Amino acid sequence: GQNIDQPTEMTATEGAIVQINCTYQTSGFNGLFWYQQHAGEAPTFLSYNVLDGLEEKGRFSSFLSRSKGYSYLLLKELQMKDSASYLCAVRGPNDYKLSFGAGTTVTVRA
Amino acid sequence: GAGVSQSPSNKVTEKGKDVELRCDPISGHTALYWYRQSLGQGLEFLIYFQGNSAPDKSGLPSDRFSAERTGGSVSTLTIQRTQQEDSAVYLCASSPPGEKLFFGSGTQLSVL
Repeated sequence: GQNIDQPTEMTATEGAIVQINCTYQTSGFNGLFWYQQHAGEAPTFLSYNVLDGLEEKGRFSSFLSRSKGYSYLLLKELQMKDSASYLCAVRGPNDYKLSFGAGTTVTVRA
Repeated sequence: GAGVSQSPSNKVTEKGKDVELRCDPISGHTALYWYRQSLGQGLEFLIYFQGNSAPDKSGLPSDRFSAERTGGSVSTLTIQRTQQEDSAVYLCASSPPGEKLFFGSGTQLSVL
């Protein structure tokens, strides 16, 4: 099975940087995803890591360490529209099922 | 269509009634998933369809829950004899095999 942990809430100031950590314990691993979900809306894809290292995409970056079972999502130059829930998800050994963490609610303050 | 479409967007029902939730995946996506999201909780996997293969039903919480996918496209999730603990947002997602999931906006189910 999968056990995925991430903080429940984080607050940051507009223009700042926030790092959302995700740790996982899985019976197999075939990649880690980050999704963003605004209240009342569908989750939308942000990033995907399958090899160790940092993937950068504009203001958002995601890091993976498979040996440590650890990932983080880094949000730079925070904007008010970044206030949302951020979901960490791990793909298991069967290569299709995503198991999700409970999500981290990020609140960006002016 | 342009994205995954779910209907209805909201459903209020009485305890004990049956409900049907519909999902129209993105055209050409062979994989289709159903997840459930309760308030403050993560997404809970329910069922997975891939092409003509037998579905993975391992996440269905009880035999009151069932799902089918007709013609490899539209899927219907049926909950029989609804209970209050079934209240949640039911999310559908589709993808090409092994790729990222595209989610619909979900059906908010409220069982009174």
